[in-house]
Amino acid sequence: EVQLVESGGGLVQPGGSLRLSCGASGLTISRSWMHWVRQAPGEGLMWVSRISSDGRNAVYADSVRGRFAISRDNAENTLSLQMNSLRAEDTAVYYCAIDSGRYFTYWGQGTLVTVSS
Amino acid sequence: QSALTQPPSASGSPGQSVTISCTGTSSDVGGYNYVSWYQQHPGKAPKLMIYEVNKRPSGVPDRFSGSRSGNTASLTVSGLQAEDEADYYCCSYAGNNSPYVFGTGTKVTVL
Repeated sequence: EVQLVESGGGLVQPGGSLRLSCGASGLTISRSWMHWVRQAPGEGLMWVSRISSDGRNAVYADSVRGRFAISRDNAENTLSLQMNSLRAEDTAVYYCAIDSGRYFTYWGQGTLVTVSS
Repeated sequence: QSALTQPPSASGSPGQSVTISCTGTSSDVGGYNYVSWYQQHPGKAPKLMIYEVNKRPSGVPDRFSGSRSGNTASLTVSGLQAEDEADYYCCSYAGNNSPYVFGTGTKVTVL
């Protein structure tokens, strides 16, 4: 059974930093492009970032570019998201997801990030 | 990249059909055969229901079907069942610079 498990969420002050992780089991992610998608409380889904299978190519949504950095460790079967200069509007549940050809087949259960003073 | 437009709500009685629209532009929905649909129950992660406009992953009932006309994609749920009550989101590939855009979401209620 494929499982993605996010961790690292929590409460952080505006301007602070947080690092999210996503661990995979039941499959080897090294061949898959991976994504972060977020959902603000009571709101819809928003794509955040994507990283290529070899980690060399990363793309970001305009709202997080320059503040967030996606990375991966294929040897450890993990995906990460370094979030800096956090703002109140970054408050959301963050999901990692696997790309199977420009769609998201597997999703984690999400980790909540709250940016508040 | 603006969110794709979906109706906020849709409803139907058990056994009936409901269709949800997802309107974008020629730069996303109308430009690529990469429209997908996701079902999300409260407090749960999204689940893939349709990919590449009209393909169903294994395990998804054939009551769920997808289509597209121009810049508008649609998801139809036939033979509504109580467990179909959920939020539904469309998503489209939109090119290399900002690859994915989601719809605004539609809450489906089974009356």
